[in-house]
Amino acid sequence: DIQLTQSPSFLSASVGDRVTITCRASQGINSHLAWFQQKPEKAPKLLIYTTSTLQTGVPSRFSGSGSGTEFTLTISSLQPEDFAAYYCQQLKSYPLTFGGGTKVEIK
Amino acid sequence: EVQLVESGGGLVQPGGSLRLSCAASGLTFSRWWMSWVRQAPGEGLEWVANINQDGSDKYYVDSVRGRFAISRDNARNSLYLQMNSLRAEDTAVYYCARYVRSTSVGDYYMDVWGKGTTVTVSS
Repeated sequence: DIQLTQSPSFLSASVGDRVTITCRASQGINSHLAWFQQKPEKAPKLLIYTTSTLQTGVPSRFSGSGSGTEFTLTISSLQPEDFAAYYCQQLKSYPLTFGGGTKVEIK
Repeated sequence: EVQLVESGGGLVQPGGSLRLSCAASGLTFSRWWMSWVRQAPGEGLEWVANINQDGSDKYYVDSVRGRFAISRDNARNSLYLQMNSLRAEDTAVYYCARYVRSTSVGDYYMDVWGKGTTVTVSS
């Protein structure tokens, strides 16, 4: 199974900050990585797929990069509505797996 | 608007069974792979199962294989998850999601999610 390790697991930041979340895969997954945002008691929302493709309707302050085993999600200027949990997911092979999550909270 | 609505969750005793349903609207359901994903209380996301368009291809996470069965009825625009031999560790919110699998382009992702249905396994 492909393990995904997200870091940090918790992040405290201020509105306007640039935020970067890392997702490391235990083996190469090509570009088959997606990022989700989840707010409390809500379903996950797809932000980015295939490493760097922004889902329709997602603000351009979100971006994704990486390849092979190391990937990043960047929020260029954190907004109040961005405080949430973020998860990466690999879709290279079964079982599909998620990272452990990063909770972004207000400093 | 594409919409997925899960139902069928509830409280069940260990060893019991439940059948979850996911009603799809606003899309040509038979064109899409579908997924079940769950989230235990206070925990992260865990993929559970996938099914292809005609139901002939199915995949499961090891922890549910042999106990859970994913299926679909394209005439009813519905996805199902039959859960047997339930355990306390199956307690979670269960989400259905559309799984986009574009092999020609190399894009794979889950883009539409329901709001989830809660399963609690407890005596």
